[in-house]
Amino acid sequence: DSGVTQTPKHLITATGQRVTLRCSPRSGDLSVYWYQQSLDQGLQFLIQYYNGEERAKGNILERFSAQQFPDLHSELNLSSLELGDSALYFCASSVEAFGQPEAFFGQGTRLTVV
Amino acid sequence: AQKITQTQPGMFVQEKEAVTLDCTYDTSDPSYGLFWYKQPSSGEMIFLIYQGSYDQQNATEGRYSLNFQKARKSANLVISASQLGDSAMYFCAMRVDPSNSGGSNYKLTFGKGTLLTVNP
Repeated sequence: DSGVTQTPKHLITATGQRVTLRCSPRSGDLSVYWYQQSLDQGLQFLIQYYNGEERAKGNILERFSAQQFPDLHSELNLSSLELGDSALYFCASSVEAFGQPEAFFGQGTRLTVV
Repeated sequence: AQKITQTQPGMFVQEKEAVTLDCTYDTSDPSYGLFWYKQPSSGEMIFLIYQGSYDQQNATEGRYSLNFQKARKSANLVISASQLGDSAMYFCAMRVDPSNSGGSNYKLTFGKGTLLTVNP
């Protein structure tokens, strides 16, 4: 168990809808990263939050947004969903120090858009 | 920009034999870390091993070892005594020290992965 909790584990929704994915980082980790894993794009970094503030953006679509709350849990909001958004979405947390090697991943949320 | 290349889409190995999964990387940053993750069919990402760019010795974790050749920019994963439960997707990833550029993003850049199948 990595200590990172993601809910829900599976999500099936229709095109055009909006969903929210939730992530609770490991105790003590201030930083949360969101990744998307799809068949054609592989694993890609989407966005990073640190202690409630957005720190960096990767290949995140404008239809997607995220936030991190005071209790450090994070939510990834996906709107106007398209078939191509079907993917496995991971959240990871880590200690913000380069010397700390591990990034701990949650179990992922498998999103299917039909 | 960082790039990870895994040239083996799939690999087969007999149970109890050793297998090497290839990974090459590209970065201009002097300070970086290299990771290997295992993703079984259930989907979770399991951290296996880490190698820092300044580490003098190759990293080892149980049956996993990382063959780090800095000049060649390679970080191959060696799994010894393969087990059936090792059948999974394996990803090589890299993280650079963001302080070199004044940033604070410790994101991981992943390769495309290698699907390892262990045969009985």
